[in-house]
Amino acid sequence: EDQVTQSPEALRLQEGESSSLNCSYTVSGLRGLFWYRQDPGKGPEFLFTLYSAGEEKEKERLKATLTKKESFLHITAPKPEDSATYLCAVLKWENNNAGNMLTFGGGTRLMVKP
Amino acid sequence: DTGVSQNPRHKITKRGQNVTFRCDPISEHNRLYWYRQTLGQGPEFLTYFQNEAQLEKSRLLSDRFSAERPKGSFSTLEIQRTEQGDSAMYLCASSFRDRYEQYFGPGTRLTVT
Repeated sequence: EDQVTQSPEALRLQEGESSSLNCSYTVSGLRGLFWYRQDPGKGPEFLFTLYSAGEEKEKERLKATLTKKESFLHITAPKPEDSATYLCAVLKWENNNAGNMLTFGGGTRLMVKP
Repeated sequence: DTGVSQNPRHKITKRGQNVTFRCDPISEHNRLYWYRQTLGQGPEFLTYFQNEAQLEKSRLLSDRFSAERPKGSFSTLEIQRTEQGDSAMYLCASSFRDRYEQYFGPGTRLTVT
């Protein structure tokens, strides 16, 4: 069964204290791995797509990386406005086509204190 | 793009009542998805439309749930005979043709009392 596990569940950082969030996955035939940011009471906001091991994507203070078993979201010198829940999700191949269902992890709740 | 919109944003209903939610996808996005999210969890897939055709449904989608997408534009999700366990955030997402990124709306929060 496909599984996506995120750790830690919650992370408290001081402003400027860099850290990494982990997303480990078990899926037969990964088509893509996605990172989203979700603020309380809002829908997930798309951040990155990673397709193959070794790929990296960057946006402002965030950098996502992918291996064959896990993905990391590195946050460099975070600011209080980076506080949110970060979700990762996987999309797998089905019958030689990309599936349509994203399977999400439980998320990491990030709190950055000034 | 104006983004995915959902209405209503909040709905409080009594157990046993029927509710209907609406989703308007990003224009020209032919794929539309419904997810459900409970507190502290990631979204769970419910169903998927390509244009007006409903092509995939999760086992989570019981007989009390029905979704439509007439004319391949907006979509509705109806829950009949609501139960307290239906209380959740219902999220709609859309994507464009062969692109895999799904863009989410703000969600409809359902509370069943």
